[in-house]
Amino acid sequence: KAGVTQTPRYLIKTRGQQVTLSCSPISGHRSVSWYQQTPGQGLQFLFEYFSETQRNKGNFPGRFSGRQFSNSRSEMNVSTLELGDSALYLCASSLVSPVWANYGYTFGSGTRLTVV
Amino acid sequence: TQLLEQSPQFLSIQEGENLTVYCNSSSVFSSLQWYRQEPGEGPVLLVTVVTGGEVKKLKRLTFQFGDARKDSSLHITAAQPGDTGLYLCAARRGRGSGSRLTFGEGTQLTVNP
Repeated sequence: KAGVTQTPRYLIKTRGQQVTLSCSPISGHRSVSWYQQTPGQGLQFLFEYFSETQRNKGNFPGRFSGRQFSNSRSEMNVSTLELGDSALYLCASSLVSPVWANYGYTFGSGTRLTVV
Repeated sequence: TQLLEQSPQFLSIQEGENLTVYCNSSSVFSSLQWYRQEPGEGPVLLVTVVTGGEVKKLKRLTFQFGDARKDSSLHITAAQPGDTGLYLCAARRGRGSGSRLTFGEGTQLTVNP
């Protein structure tokens, strides 16, 4: 079965612009989480969606937002980009909401965002 | 301060050697997972441990969850170049709606042929 698909794979944006990243989870998975990965900070939790509802949010400024559609696909948006937003953005899907069980994530390959 | 401290940060060894990497915290976790990430890819789940003292084996990899559920170790026997990658531990605190999966910064393992 198809894995988690993230688009685009690579993106170069200018400071001040906004960007939208897309994630299609594994068919049947209803939970989608987003993480930011940088060399200095590791994987930092952004937010988690389950059945179109945001279940959990990390400690990121309001410039970072997301949503989930009825088909479980998710998007995240970053407005007014800063140089420090350059990172690998990873999407992870899970069969059930992690709040219930100790299920693992299936990650996509990520979107490499570079802000110049 | 990281919730999960992984050590060592970097490890470079020769093929055939054994190694152990650690994941430590001062907090108690309901579960702990290990992932491996290769360059240009997302992390891949290796194992989930739930019970204090639990030991799980995956071919040449042995995972252990500490008795107090605050720490874990990953031991690789006779490492191979294909084991090269970033090894991440991740843990979930609590079971309620505020629960989230938190990752350590990882151990970058290089196995030289």
